[in-house]
Amino acid sequence: RKEVEQDPGPFNVPEGATVAFNCTYSNSASQSFFWYRQDCRKEPKLLMSVYSSGNEDGRFTAQLNRASQYISLLIRDSKLSDSATYLCVVRRGSTLGRLYFGRGTQLTVWP
Amino acid sequence: ETGVTQSPTHLIKTRGQQVTLRCSSQSGHNTVSWYQQALGQGPQFIFQYYREEENGRGNFPPRFSGLQFPNYSSELNVNALELDDSALYLCASSLEGDKEKLFFGSGTQLSVL
Repeated sequence: RKEVEQDPGPFNVPEGATVAFNCTYSNSASQSFFWYRQDCRKEPKLLMSVYSSGNEDGRFTAQLNRASQYISLLIRDSKLSDSATYLCVVRRGSTLGRLYFGRGTQLTVWP
Repeated sequence: ETGVTQSPTHLIKTRGQQVTLRCSSQSGHNTVSWYQQALGQGPQFIFQYYREEENGRGNFPPRFSGLQFPNYSSELNVNALELDDSALYLCASSLEGDKEKLFFGSGTQLSVL
């Protein structure tokens, strides 16, 4: 079983739509959670960290359910510039621990 | 910009050859990790170096090896290249005292023919 499972999509939505991505992680020892964004064959960039209480950054809302080992990302009022691959990422143990990436969910926002 | 530079940006090799990929981090970034990202997959952890010593390794064979230097640069070496080694190779560094924040380089796209 993979450490992080994500629906690869693709998700194709019109501008202004709300879209939600989900992922699950298999190891209960995971301690830190993130969403990264990756544009075509470029480096991943941190979109936001995910906290147990849930957190919001503008149009983006992330949620974590430790009991279900489930992480979500909600994007409201989608923009063309949101088109990218969204990677669900977890880290176990100490801050020197490796990152475990999901395979990514591809989003295309059309005009 | 992240301040992490990788070279070369693209590389073509043939099976059986050896390759060295390079990463240059910012001053003070004493932790560097390398990831392999095959097409359509998420990055997979290869290994990590902290203060010039390997301190974590993923599920990669010994023909993948690395070095980290005192000047915050590092190398990934791959011997006996195989077709499946074709991928985007990413390095990521972090600063002592702020290890949660990773700075990724833009990657090296390796094609093995």
